[in-house]
Order: sequence, then structure tokens, then C-alpha cells
Amino acid sequence: KAGVTQTPRYLIKTRGQQVTLSCSPISGHRSVSWYQQTPGQGLQFLFEYFSETQRNKGNFPGRFSGRQFSNSRSEMNVSTLELGDSALYLCASSLGATGGAGYTFGSGTRLTVV
Amino acid sequence: GESVGLHLPTLSVQEGDNSIINCAYSNSASDYFIWYKQESGKGPQFIIDIRSNMDKRQGQRVTVLLNKTVKHLSLQIAATQPGDSAVYFCAESISGNTPLVFGKGTRLSVIA
Repeated sequence: KAGVTQTPRYLIKTRGQQVTLSCSPISGHRSVSWYQQTPGQGLQFLFEYFSETQRNKGNFPGRFSGRQFSNSRSEMNVSTLELGDSALYLCASSLGATGGAGYTFGSGTRLTVV
Repeated sequence: GESVGLHLPTLSVQEGDNSIINCAYSNSASDYFIWYKQESGKGPQFIIDIRSNMDKRQGQRVTVLLNKTVKHLSLQIAATQPGDSAVYFCAESISGNTPLVFGKGTRLSVIA
């Protein structure tokens, strides 16, 4: 079966711009979680969506937002980009569990802010 | 390939040797733990998990040990192969119902 698909794979943006990243979960998976990965902070939880509702939220500023569509595809948006937002953004999907073994990660979107 | 962690501790082992990767977790309420492997340019891949009612769990060439007293996990890889070269993360959760909290990761480098 197809895995978790994240688009685009690479993105370069300028400070102050906004960006939208997309995640298509595994077919049948209803939970989508987003993580930010940086060399300094490692993997940090952003938020989780289940059946179009945000179920959990990490400790990130309001510039980071997300949504989930009825087909379980999810997008995350970062507004007013800062240099520190440069990171690998990872999406993970699962059938329903929030932190369970059913998590499957995509390959991520590498965002570079210049 | 993409660098997933410029500041990670590195473990270098000879091909064929056993590897032991350690992890200290933070939340004493955590009762579910997972080890992930991340190769360059890819997302984390599930290796093995363990619940707090167990001290040890074995998979194919991998064993996870859990010491709840000192909040410590270890991942043992038997007969380490070049394909095992990657960054390894432990992650913790409460009953698998809270978002995973990841450790900082360890880079495993296998010397052929």
C-alpha cells in the first residue's frame, strides 16, 4: 500500500512569507500528526488531527496552524516565517491511536527560510 | 543526503559486532516506548516497542530493555550490519494515547 506522502519535498522561502505543507496519509488512516525536526531541538510535536478536529497541540506559537480535510489529508501552515523555522517537517499517520505503534512517517518536507 | 542531527552523539561499531544504544526518558508516567530508525532523507521507521509491564522484548536482531527505576531504555542490535547505519530515536507516550515525545537521538555508524 502507498505510504505517507508529503509534498513538496523541498521548499525555500524568504523571511516574512508564509508556507503551506501537505500530507496525504495512508489510506484508511484517520489520524495525522505533524512534527518539526531540527538539529538543535530534535523531533518536536506540533499538532495532531483526527476526523478533521485538532486532538492535540504542541508548544508552538500561533504562527503554526493546521487542518485536516474530510479525506484525512492534512495541511500545515506557517505564517510570517522566521529563520528558525528552517527544519524538516514530518507528518505521521495512524488508524486512530495518538502515540501508538501504528504511526507511519512520511519522508518530510525540508523547509529552508532565507 | 539530509542531515537529521548535527549535534548527535555517535556510536561507531564494527560490522558483525553488537550495538547498544541508550536512552533516558523524561516522564515517569510514560508507559509505552518505541524505538525508531531514521535513515538519511527518510522519516523515522518503527523498529520495536515495549510497554511498561515488560522489562525486555525481542524482535528480529533487536532487543529493547526497559529499566523503569532509572527511566532508561536501551536498544541492542545483534550482528550489526552496514544497513543499520542511521540515527536511532527512542520515543515515549502514556498508554499510547499521548503524542510521542522523542529523545535526542544517537547516530550509529557501522564500520565495514
